[in-house]
Amino acid sequence: GAGVSQSPSNKVTEKGKDVELRCDPISGHTALYWYRQSLGQGLEFLIYFQGNSAPDKSGLPSDRFSAERTGGSVSTLTIQRTQQEDSAVYLCASSLALGADTQYFGPGTRLTVL
Amino acid sequence: KQEVTQIPAALSVPEGENLVLNCSFTDSAIYNLQWFRQDPGKGLTSLLLIQSSQREQTSGRLNASLDKSSGRSTLYIAASQPGDSATYLCAVSMDSSYKLIFGSGTRLLVRP
Repeated sequence: GAGVSQSPSNKVTEKGKDVELRCDPISGHTALYWYRQSLGQGLEFLIYFQGNSAPDKSGLPSDRFSAERTGGSVSTLTIQRTQQEDSAVYLCASSLALGADTQYFGPGTRLTVL
Repeated sequence: KQEVTQIPAALSVPEGENLVLNCSFTDSAIYNLQWFRQDPGKGLTSLLLIQSSQREQTSGRLNASLDKSSGRSTLYIAASQPGDSATYLCAVSMDSSYKLIFGSGTRLLVRP
């Protein structure tokens, strides 16, 4: 595809449920990043992948958050036992190489936890 | 801890004006700096990337400068148009990691 795609675009869930958010990076991009944009916190880093490995998980807000990337392409961000404070827009970005290149962002997934 | 600040938080100008958006960061040991625009309900679009060894980058009506030692970057928009209305975000990446640290953005409105 031409750009980074994310699905679903919108997700409404009940408190306590698990959710999975998907990111398809630009073909050939080895680096992939997840960010969260919430009203009170602005845009914050969650995790990045170089290939399939995630050397920096420091931004994950709690152990309810996890992410994986398989085949060096698609990534899923999983939030277990969702809480209302998890409500935010989750943005995925990819870049050709780690650190050296522009990051290209997807449209985001808007998560609402009731 | 790196902190990125953007001033002003909001800006309203008439069409045709030249304008400057400011970004400052507390730790000068950055790897690169990027300017993005975000339209309501949409993701981020990269505008300009400046490596730490560079002083400026230009793209069309946009010019971004970087003064690493003073911890500042400016985004200059020439001859502003209503289509420039968006939120502009500045972000830095550090040497020790490649995650972006964002400022809170400047909401720009260009009035016809």
